[in-house]
Amino acid sequence: SQELEQSPQSLIVQEGKNLTINCTSSKTLYGLYWYKQKYGEGLIFLMMLQKGGEEKSHEKITAKLDEKKQQSSLHITASQPSHAGIYLCGADWDTPLVFGKGTRLSVIA
Amino acid sequence: GAVVSQHPSRVICKSGTSVKIECRSLDFQATTMFWYRQFPKQSLMLMATSNEGSKATYEQGVEKDKFLINHASLTLSTLTVTSAHPEDSSFYICSARSFHEQYFGPGTRLTVT
Repeated sequence: SQELEQSPQSLIVQEGKNLTINCTSSKTLYGLYWYKQKYGEGLIFLMMLQKGGEEKSHEKITAKLDEKKQQSSLHITASQPSHAGIYLCGADWDTPLVFGKGTRLSVIA
Repeated sequence: GAVVSQHPSRVICKSGTSVKIECRSLDFQATTMFWYRQFPKQSLMLMATSNEGSKATYEQGVEKDKFLINHASLTLSTLTVTSAHPEDSSFYICSARSFHEQYFGPGTRLTVT
């Protein structure tokens, strides 16, 4: 079965600290999407990675896809309270996207 | 970027009644739309794939007679929760695919009392 594992499940960091969220696929990805969600709200698209070794950044968030296209990491630098939320990775093996279980991020002052 | 809208954003209904949720692609045509469900503190789970002009494809464990999906046009898909029960209370999100991008609606919070 197709699986997408996210780790950690939850994360509490102090404001200003860096953090990394990982997403591991059981098979090679066509594409890997990262979304942020405030619970009960819609998804906010962050980044999409397609090529092995690809890395993209937006503001203080950087996402990478490994060469084998089976693992991605999302790195937040100097975290802020506005970064708090649920981060979801979505795998594009075939339509539609299949999501990991999410990582709940809390940022404390 | 492409926009997907959902209506209503919130709905409260009584047990036993039916509720319809609309999903529209606003600036593109979507031959395929998807319906996801999200329980509290859980990730999105795909319920069904909605194809314009044909029957929806349901994921294992999703009751097709309970969650009726109609893809009436290239810009509109509807999800009807029939004979709703409190356990159907959830957050429902639709999504539409355009080329290589998948766009998500803002979600509909359904509460069944």
